[in-house]
Amino acid sequence: AQSVTQLDSQVPVFEEAPVELRCNYSSSVSVYLFWYVQYPNQGLQLLLKYLSGSTLVKGINGFEAEFNKSQTSFHLRKPSVHISDTAEYFCAVRGGDGGSQGNLIFGKGTKLSVKP
Amino acid sequence: NAGVMQNPRHLVRRRGQEARLRCSPMKGHSHVYWYRQLPEEGLKFMVYLQKENIIDESGMPKERFSAEFPKEGPSILRIQQVVRGDSAAYFCASSPQGSGNTEAFFGQGTRLTVV
Repeated sequence: AQSVTQLDSQVPVFEEAPVELRCNYSSSVSVYLFWYVQYPNQGLQLLLKYLSGSTLVKGINGFEAEFNKSQTSFHLRKPSVHISDTAEYFCAVRGGDGGSQGNLIFGKGTKLSVKP
Repeated sequence: NAGVMQNPRHLVRRRGQEARLRCSPMKGHSHVYWYRQLPEEGLKFMVYLQKENIIDESGMPKERFSAEFPKEGPSILRIQQVVRGDSAAYFCASSPQGSGNTEAFFGQGTRLTVV
């Protein structure tokens, strides 16, 4: 069965500092991986996705993630964070052997808190 | 093109009442997914529907929960005889087709509180 582990529940960081949010997955089949952001009382917005090809994926708002098959990781990074990046971030893997990206298995989330 | 619309945004129900959550997918989308987010938890998949068909309901509780996506109108997630443990945020997502490369778009959720 597929699963996702987000190793940090909370990450505090100062503005303009770099940040890495960690995500590990387990899957016995080819994986599609995603990072979503959730602002307070909002729905989820897709930051980036890995389907195939280059292992370094660039997303919106200056975020990027690297797919590492040997370490089964898909860590999210940003070289310089802004106050507006304060939100909760979810890593997800697509479950099952068919269907669209909607059938996702999510990690428990990492709350990123950017301090001035 | 409006996004995925969920209503109500907030819903309060007393124990034993029924809760009906509605989801209107994006225009042109025929696939709908429901997720539940409990406090301090990630989203858990509940059910995947196409028009008039339930494709995957492996995440649905066996009792009290049902979902439909009729030919006309929104998708409905129905919870009968709600209990305090049903309090959560329920999110709907939609996609235009079922291929693996199709992104699903999320609504803003319905926050159900059972008192």
